[in-house]
Amino acid sequence: QVQLQESGPGLVKPSETLSLTCTVSGGSVSSGNYYWSWIRQPPGKGPEWIGYIFYSGSTNYNPSLKSRVTISLDTSKNQFSLKLTSVSAADTAVYYCARDRGENYSLDCWGQGALVTVSS
Amino acid sequence: QPVLTQPPSASASLGASVTLTCTLSSGYSNYKVDWYQQRPGKGPRFVMRVGTGGIVGSKGDDIPDRFSVLASGLNRYLTIKNIQEEDESDYHCGADHGSGSNFVYVFGPGTKVTVL
Repeated sequence: QVQLQESGPGLVKPSETLSLTCTVSGGSVSSGNYYWSWIRQPPGKGPEWIGYIFYSGSTNYNPSLKSRVTISLDTSKNQFSLKLTSVSAADTAVYYCARDRGENYSLDCWGQGALVTVSS
Repeated sequence: QPVLTQPPSASASLGASVTLTCTLSSGYSNYKVDWYQQRPGKGPRFVMRVGTGGIVGSKGDDIPDRFSVLASGLNRYLTIKNIQEEDESDYHCGADHGSGSNFVYVFGPGTKVTVL
């Protein structure tokens, strides 16, 4: 059973870079036909898709965030990471990492989430 | 890309049934939709995918038989029969659009289900 766990600072200052890591256990980020994704959920709102990295390393991002987002893979640590630059209060959210089913993009494996607050 | 619309709330008495609706924007009547359950303070949990012909693939892990889906036109439905206290959650729908570099995934705002 694959498990995902987010980690990173819970507080980021405005204009700085948000960095989160998702550690994968019970499976490998470099094998299979999976998309490793990031989703965020502002307080009291619905989820927002940030983007994914395919096991091969190719990426795709939400057009609304594309200029500020980078998702990368670290196969040696079995992790994938999110960087979001030039953050503002609007980026305050619970950030989730997730994996799809393989045969389609239904996100059927999620981390527990990490709250990131943007504040000075 | 599609826009997904959901009513903000729904309720049902313990043991009764409730049907949740996710409505796709015009022009996307053949799209599949994923349903997610989000219990208070927890991350989303995949329930199942629904297309024009009903369920696509299998349900998520440990999803009870009480959960079922249907589709009609632009609407994708999730029905919970014999609703239990543990079903009290926010339910979000999501859909993917495009492929390759044009791929995006969108979520609806969610419906909060209260068990009376």
